[in-house]
Amino acid sequence: QVQLQQWGAGLLKPSGTLSLTCAVYGGSFSGYRWTWIRQAPGKGLEWIGDINNIGDGYYNPSLKSRVTISVDTSKNQFSLKLNSVTAADTAVYFCARGHITIFGVADFDPWGQGTLVTVSS
Amino acid sequence: EIVMTQSPATLSVSPGERATLSCRASQSVNTNLAWYQQKPGQAPRLLISGASTRASGIPVRFSGSGSVTEFTLTISSLQSEDFAVYYCQQYHSWPPITFGQGTRLEMK
Repeated sequence: QVQLQQWGAGLLKPSGTLSLTCAVYGGSFSGYRWTWIRQAPGKGLEWIGDINNIGDGYYNPSLKSRVTISVDTSKNQFSLKLNSVTAADTAVYFCARGHITIFGVADFDPWGQGTLVTVSS
Repeated sequence: EIVMTQSPATLSVSPGERATLSCRASQSVNTNLAWYQQKPGQAPRLLISGASTRASGIPVRFSGSGSVTEFTLTISSLQSEDFAVYYCQQYHSWPPITFGQGTRLEMK
């Protein structure tokens, strides 16, 4: 059974860089798109971007200029960096495994436990 | 970007009754649609993919239907553990993947 475990700093100052990592246990790292999704307090879900095992990434156009997703296949891990953060980036950040169809990434299952990241001076 | 709109925002239903949640896409997504359940403090859980295929381990009381732009999630007989927030998500056009704003299913 595949499990995703994520970690990273939970408190950042404005203009800083958010950095989170997600480790994949118990399953193949290839054949999926490894995804980051966030949820602002009391709000809905926002797709940030995803990457496959060879490093091909796609990003939400609304965040593209600030986001980097990378992969470390030797450790079955993938990471998120978001720079120049503001209070608007305060959210719970989830990692997830994305299944693939002919259209690209499809549904997400399973998910990591989530990490609350707060941006405050 | 495809905009997903869910209705109603909040649905009040008694245990044992049927709940019907709606999701509309701003343009055709064929059947490239998923539904998720999220409980407080938890990650979303995949319920349905391909508009109507239940994910592994999902009870048969959950069913999905629809295509093109109109979709429905039906819970046939509500159990206490079903009261949660439900999200639809399209994966027809990517990037970006987009979600609906959610429907809160509360106990009447």
